[in-house]
Amino acid sequence: AQTVTQSQPEMSVQEAETVTLSCTYDTSENNYYLFWYKQPPSRQMILVIRQEAYKQQNATENRFSVNFQKAAKSFSLKISDSQLGDTAMYFCAFMKLPSGTYKYIFGTGTRLKVLA
Amino acid sequence: SQTIHQWPATLVQPVGSPLSLECTVEGTSNPNLYWYRQAAGRGLQLLFYSVGIGQISSEVPQNLSASRPQDRQFILSSKKLLLSDSGFYLCAWSSPRVKPEAFFGQGTRLTVV
Repeated sequence: AQTVTQSQPEMSVQEAETVTLSCTYDTSENNYYLFWYKQPPSRQMILVIRQEAYKQQNATENRFSVNFQKAAKSFSLKISDSQLGDTAMYFCAFMKLPSGTYKYIFGTGTRLKVLA
Repeated sequence: SQTIHQWPATLVQPVGSPLSLECTVEGTSNPNLYWYRQAAGRGLQLLFYSVGIGQISSEVPQNLSASRPQDRQFILSSKKLLLSDSGFYLCAWSSPRVKPEAFFGQGTRLTVV
């Protein structure tokens, strides 16, 4: 069974600085998707970024980028120029392909606080 | 555009009472539907998922059940709530053949007293 591990329960960063959140996963599959979701205090889960395992190029979305290391099964999220609105829980998630069930497996989350 | 509605937002129920949480999706057909529970320090635990009407898969044995009476409706139920059922419940949908990611509802905070 696939597992997702986020080893940093809490992190903090100064506004305008850069922070990296770690995620590792365990799978024997070769084709899969990885995601980072953000859950602000409102509790609404929002997709931040996704990465297809078959793509070597790391995904980027504005200030958010990932470092995908397939052999190491590592998928970290880098937030540049941190803003107060980035304060949230961040969840790493995995979905294998092909799959008739399309189950999303989540890590336990990292609580990020951006300090003014 | 697609939207997901989940209600109620908060619920306080006594031990032993029944539960019904509802989730509906608009703007898409034949979505995959999911119920997750979020507990502090445990991330999101997948409870049930459904790939079609009447097709429910349970991930963990528990005091809860799920049903999908219509294509875009997903219901989480319990006949008798336990204190341990307290938590934050999230409904989600996906259409992996269109986009791989899941989209979440606003969630329900359930407190069993």
